[in-house]
Amino acid sequence: NAGVTQTPKFQVLKTGQSMTLQCAQDMNHNSMYWYRQDPGMGLRLIYYSASEGTTDKGEVPNGYNVSRLNKREFSLRLESAAPSQTSVYFCASSEGTGRGYEQYFGPGTRLTVT
Amino acid sequence: DAKTTQPNSMESNEEEPVHLPCNHSTISGTDYIHWYRQLPSQGPEYVIHGLTSNVNNRMASLAIAEDRKSSTLILHRATLRDAAVYYCILRDIQGAQKLVFGQGTRLTINP
Repeated sequence: NAGVTQTPKFQVLKTGQSMTLQCAQDMNHNSMYWYRQDPGMGLRLIYYSASEGTTDKGEVPNGYNVSRLNKREFSLRLESAAPSQTSVYFCASSEGTGRGYEQYFGPGTRLTVT
Repeated sequence: DAKTTQPNSMESNEEEPVHLPCNHSTISGTDYIHWYRQLPSQGPEYVIHGLTSNVNNRMASLAIAEDRKSSTLILHRATLRDAAVYYCILRDIQGAQKLVFGQGTRLTINP
């Protein structure tokens, strides 16, 4: 059981370039999430998908798009990267979005935009 | 989101118990109390959660005050691997889909 996997682990982009961060989970979870963590800060929710076929904005969605490709996979796209998007990106999954469910996190993607 | 207050840092010794406090005086009756930890350069890791009663699992115990205005995460026998930032998080009905991470408590374990 790999849990939540993310690719790539590291990425450097120039301002204006685009890229897609990939996330997959093998726990048959319904819900998936994308967070970002800036240095010395807590995580902030970018987008989430409560179930296959649905996506919703979180706290900081501007500059990002997401795709719930199937039940296992949830991707995050930066269409035109900006230095303010330099951060560590974490994907997570859970059985549901209710407040009694725990979330399981991937190892993160460290993104630098120059 | 209901607010939690934790000490910025704590220190303990290996193989001793550790009690990590969290105050949440504005908790509502339906808020769940969750604990996560984040080891250096890793993603957050779920530790434990509860609503009203004390909870135990293989990682830790969660002691919830009778009035629910505070809780304590208990690591029964700390190891060096337990050195991490520990986050106490309240999950309410409105914001149930997200985890709101505060500053947490940085736990140092001395060998």
